[in-house]
Amino acid sequence: DTEVTQTPKHLVMGMTNKKSLKCEQHMGHRAMYWYKQKAKKPPELMFVYSYEKLSINESVPSRFSPECPNSSLLNLHLHALQPEDSALYLCASSQGFPTGGYEQYFGPGTRLTVT
Amino acid sequence: GESVGLHLPTLSVQEGDNSIINCAYSNSASDYFIWYKQESGKGPQFIIDIRSNMDKRQGQRVTVLLNKTVKHLSLQIAATQPGDSAVYFCAESSKGAQKLVFGQGTRLTINP
Repeated sequence: DTEVTQTPKHLVMGMTNKKSLKCEQHMGHRAMYWYKQKAKKPPELMFVYSYEKLSINESVPSRFSPECPNSSLLNLHLHALQPEDSALYLCASSQGFPTGGYEQYFGPGTRLTVT
Repeated sequence: GESVGLHLPTLSVQEGDNSIINCAYSNSASDYFIWYKQESGKGPQFIIDIRSNMDKRQGQRVTVLLNKTVKHLSLQIAATQPGDSAVYFCAESSKGAQKLVFGQGTRLTINP
């Protein structure tokens, strides 16, 4: 099983809402990632988790709050978002870090629209 | 800052022809390179990767070439098919880094 799953596929939320994005992998990968992708742009790294601990936060605003409850799950909690946060949110996982030659497997993404 | 970029934002080829997608990088410490394909509405899909101790690596219908002297990476797709239509991203990682840095992407379109 080389699949990363993400739910929901689409999400529309107001600026005062609280919602969560979920990501799951069962490949035994120890590194998990959140990316944000705007239209016609490359994915931008937001967070990296290594062995369930946050190892990189790319200066992401606090209205985005990641959580790694266990080695298979990664959540992204959203609160008080802005319309400019509308984007495709991608989750990825890898057996190790790129420096070790480990590719990242991406999920299909959650298309988020903030109204 | 470091960046990974592409020479052409769009590439249009005839079905059956070979496609070459180029990528320039600026980080001399880059030691791992990877190509992803992203179809509309989907997440990026791994195509092929290469370490800096190699110049060339081949997969099924794809070849990646690395020229460290001029910091250039290319992806060659043989006998391009309609299913190859997508945006292609190169990405790189430096020794010891925990993350990939993505290039801007090239949209490949196939003419029948």
